[in-house]
Amino acid sequence: DQQVKQNSPSLSVQEGRISILNCDYTNSMFDYFLWYKKYPAEGPTFLISISSIKDKNEDGRFTVFLNKSAKHLSLHIVPSQPGDSAVYFCAASVTGANSKLTFGKGITLSVRP
Amino acid sequence: SAVISQKPSRDICQRGTSLTIQCQVDSQVTMMFWYRQQPGQSLTLIATANQGSEATYESGFVIDKFPISRPNLTFSTLTVSNMSPEDSSIYLCSVGTKYTDTQYFGPGTRLTVL
Repeated sequence: DQQVKQNSPSLSVQEGRISILNCDYTNSMFDYFLWYKKYPAEGPTFLISISSIKDKNEDGRFTVFLNKSAKHLSLHIVPSQPGDSAVYFCAASVTGANSKLTFGKGITLSVRP
Repeated sequence: SAVISQKPSRDICQRGTSLTIQCQVDSQVTMMFWYRQQPGQSLTLIATANQGSEATYESGFVIDKFPISRPNLTFSTLTVSNMSPEDSSIYLCSVGTKYTDTQYFGPGTRLTVL
């Protein structure tokens, strides 16, 4: 049973436009959510996180939105840059549960120049 | 965030052999974890490496196949034992602290088993 789902395997956007990456989860116990970015041959790099007590968190070009009632979160990248082309993983955890992260399958983002 | 290194970065091994992967952190951390990313798949937690005691394994992973050591707060090893081609994956260590659920990952070890 996949508890964190990234249903779109890929996304292509034009440089300068907005990228919206979606993630759904099924476990209502999850209360902390993270986005990681991964380039080929490298480990995942932490991007941004959000606690369930918030519905929005912003860090520069990256904003994460959380809709708890829909069990849905999204990552917005504005403006998108070619260097943003990578695989993006959504992850979730239950605070205090030894920090175990459950990951989605990832979305491959391509930003066209 | 901590600087995390892994050795080796990649290896090609023969079926039936074992490989030990090292993870070194430049500062003391509370939590260390080992993940696996099979081709085209997501990251799956293998186990939590506990300092000075036995690792805590996730469902589907056993100590005989993936023995883990963590002798101190900055170092851990994962051994992939009696390898088969199905063990071909990227193996990643990650670290965290008791103050946050954010984990930071090492660069990974790409393992190919022939």
